[in-house]
Amino acid sequence: QVQLVESGGGVVQPGRSLRLSCAASGFTFSHYAMHWVRRAPGKGLEWVTAISSDGNNKNYADSVKGRFTISRDNSENTLNLQMNSLRVEDTAVYHCARGPPLYGSGKYSPFDSWGQGTLVTVSS
Amino acid sequence: QSVLTQPPSVSGAPGQRVTISCFGSISNIGAGSDVHWYQQVPGTAPKLLLYANTNRPSGVPDRFSGSKSGTSASLAISGLQAEDEADYYCQSYDSTLSGWVFGGGTKLTVL
Repeated sequence: QVQLVESGGGVVQPGRSLRLSCAASGFTFSHYAMHWVRRAPGKGLEWVTAISSDGNNKNYADSVKGRFTISRDNSENTLNLQMNSLRVEDTAVYHCARGPPLYGSGKYSPFDSWGQGTLVTVSS
Repeated sequence: QSVLTQPPSVSGAPGQRVTISCFGSISNIGAGSDVHWYQQVPGTAPKLLLYANTNRPSGVPDRFSGSKSGTSASLAISGLQAEDEADYYCQSYDSTLSGWVFGGGTKLTVL
């Protein structure tokens, strides 16, 4: 059974940093691309970033490019999100998700497993 | 503002049928990208409800069905049940943005 458990959320001031983690189990982590998707209060889901199965390729939404960095440790089955220069508008529940590969026809595939999410609140 | 457009809310009585629309553009749905649908009960993880426009993952009742035409797609739920009350999202891939896009979500209320 696929399980994704996020951690690391909390309250942080604008301009500060936070690091999220996602522990994966129940599948061969190193075989899958992984994503972060967020949901801001009162808003819909927003794709944030993705990383290839081997960690060599990454993709970011324009809203976080240059501020957020996705990484993974396939030996520890862990996905990470380093968030720097946080803004009030980054306030959201952040979900990690097993999803489509970054390139090729597979990128049209769905996000088939999700974690429950961790809340990040950016406020002064 | 989301790239894919959904109605903010829909409602229906138990047993009725409702549909949720999802409007995109020639950069995503109209470019041939598949549409997927997710169900999210607030406070829980989103759940894949339909994939590749019309397909149900194992365990999803056949009361849920999907269609796609041109630059839009729709989700239909028949025989509404109280447990269907949730937020529903459509999702596709956008070739102009080179990224994955979601609708703004539709809150389904079962009256």
